[in-house]
Amino acid sequence: DQQVKQNSPSLSVQEGRISILNCDYTNSMFDYFLWYKKYPAEGPTFLISISSIKDKNEDGRFTVFLNKSAKHLSLHIVPSQPGDSAVYFCAASASVITGSSNTGKLIFGQGTTLQVKP
Amino acid sequence: NAGVTQTPKFQVLKTGQSMTLQCAQDMNHEYMSWYRQDPGMGLRLIHYSVGAGITDQGEVPNGYNVSRSTTEDFPLRLLSAAPSQTSVYFCASSSDWRTPLHFGNGTRLTVT
Repeated sequence: DQQVKQNSPSLSVQEGRISILNCDYTNSMFDYFLWYKKYPAEGPTFLISISSIKDKNEDGRFTVFLNKSAKHLSLHIVPSQPGDSAVYFCAASASVITGSSNTGKLIFGQGTTLQVKP
Repeated sequence: NAGVTQTPKFQVLKTGQSMTLQCAQDMNHEYMSWYRQDPGMGLRLIHYSVGAGITDQGEVPNGYNVSRSTTEDFPLRLLSAAPSQTSVYFCASSSDWRTPLHFGNGTRLTVT
């Protein structure tokens, strides 16, 4: 079962506009969420994170929003730039130790390919 | 600092062959993990380690072995390669499992 889902495989936006990438999760024990960016032939690089005690975290052009009741998070990029064109992965982890624990495991979504057109 | 170094970058194996994917980090990170990336599947966790001598299974551990004898190294072993193991493999590390991972640049493995 896919515990972290990115239902949009791709997104295309115009330079200067807002890019909104979405992510849904099913495991209510997840309490820490991250976004990674990946260019071709490179490893993913960390972009921004958010803890479940917050509903928003901002870093420059990047903002992550968390809606715990809907088990949904989104990444907003404003303004979008051509250099933002990449694959974006959301990921989640849980801090609470349970019987079938996700503690210690960072679970990724399928990724969304963002294309920003000049 | 080199960060996370993976070798080799590319590898072709025949079904049934064995090999070890190497991963080394020079950041003194306790937490290390292996992922595979497949089209439409994202990054799936194979095995992870929270420190030397400690390893655990991830989402897709079957067909893979790991060990962690030192803090720096976390090799991934394929004992009998299968075409289903054709993938891009990423090794990652962090100071602990709650901090962002640093990834290597991956090993592209093809099993024929």
